[in-house]
Amino acid sequence: GAVVSQHPSRVICKSGTSVKIECRSLDFQATTMFWYRQFPKQSLMLMATSNEGSKATYEQGVEKDKFLINHASLTLSTLTVTSAHPEDSSFYICSARVASGTATYEQYFGPGTRLTVT
Amino acid sequence: AQSVAQPEDQVNVAEGNPLTVKCTYSVSGNPYLFWYVQYPNRGLQFLLKYITGDNLVKGSYGFEAEFNKSQTSFHLKKPSALVSDSALYFCAVYSWGKLQFGAGTQVVVTP
Repeated sequence: GAVVSQHPSRVICKSGTSVKIECRSLDFQATTMFWYRQFPKQSLMLMATSNEGSKATYEQGVEKDKFLINHASLTLSTLTVTSAHPEDSSFYICSARVASGTATYEQYFGPGTRLTVT
Repeated sequence: AQSVAQPEDQVNVAEGNPLTVKCTYSVSGNPYLFWYVQYPNRGLQFLLKYITGDNLVKGSYGFEAEFNKSQTSFHLKKPSALVSDSALYFCAVYSWGKLQFGAGTQVVVTP
């Protein structure tokens, strides 16, 4: 149980275009989803927290107009990188937290999306 | 601020030998601590957590961790390492509704 999927796993796009990444909780409902960014051999940097049906909360220094997050349902959140530039190339990982129960503090992570902007 | 520190960038161990990955924490109040493992180009996999209860926590794949309040540590251990344990390991603390991750420790297990 507690599987999180991401799509696509890899994407290459041209500079100036937008890219959408989907994150789904497959077998549980997630009231809260998180989006992280990871550079090679580095830790995860939290970009934003999204709660179903409300606006995402962005971490300091993350441009909300560039990284659009939508949490439309209890099983789906999307991250759209708008007007992508080469410096946006990174590994993006989503995570979902179960809605209730004793495992409230656990987060389950998706397999990640490798974005390359050329 | 709540945080965790992983003092070692890399740990090298021979297969069959004990493996220890260190983590210290700095929190106010009771810490909620986690260990995750990441294989290349993959997301994080949950290993174990400490919320309350026994100081020795057993997790997935034969890993365990000991919560030590006096030393503010939560070291990850495995009695006998496997080559397949080679990966990036993250310690994390739950703070204000979010996980704060350590810098990560690369574990290399040689045959």
